[in-house]
Amino acid sequence: AQSVAQPEDQVNVAEGNPLTVKCTYSVSGNPYLFWYVQYPNRGLQFLLKYITGDNLVKGSYGFEAEFNKSQTSFHLKKPSALVSDSALYFCAVLPPRGSTLGRLYFGRGTQLTVWP
Amino acid sequence: SAVISQKPSRDICQRGTSLTIQCQVDSQVTMMFWYRQQPGQSLTLIATANQGSEATYESGFVIDKFPISRPNLTFSTLTVSNMSPEDSSIYLCSVESGATYEQYFGPGTRLTVT
Repeated sequence: AQSVAQPEDQVNVAEGNPLTVKCTYSVSGNPYLFWYVQYPNRGLQFLLKYITGDNLVKGSYGFEAEFNKSQTSFHLKKPSALVSDSALYFCAVLPPRGSTLGRLYFGRGTQLTVWP
Repeated sequence: SAVISQKPSRDICQRGTSLTIQCQVDSQVTMMFWYRQQPGQSLTLIATANQGSEATYESGFVIDKFPISRPNLTFSTLTVSNMSPEDSSIYLCSVESGATYEQYFGPGTRLTVT
């Protein structure tokens, strides 16, 4: 069965400090990996993705994520957090083509709070 | 990227009634998805809607409760039928960019059933 785990419901960091939001997955084959962000009363916005290639991928708003195949992890990172980064973050995986097309599996979300 | 709009943005409905949610995309797309996000929880896929064919429902969701229409490549509707308070959720539609595998989401419809 496909699953995505975000072990932390909440992450709190001070502005200017680095942040990490964790994600691990259990998907057969080589999945595609995504991070989405949801601001209050808004839909999900795409942040970044890993399809293939360099394990460190860069995305919007200064975020990056590191793919680790051996640990089946895809942690979201940012070197210096901003108060405006406070939002709900979702990790998602897309199983390899040949399984259910387009079907994203989401983690339960991590609420990031950056305090001034 | 695709721009997606949903109507209504929110509604308060009485139990036993039905609500139809509309999803409009600014470009033609093959696959559209409907998700439910219950309070404090993650997104759960309800069904996948392809134009010209019947929607494919995920386990736990049935057509009688969540009928879906997909009349063309830019539009879809989801109906929540015979509502109960347990249906109170945010309902989101999304589309996939086949070339990039990214999914784009509408702003959501916040439904409260009393």
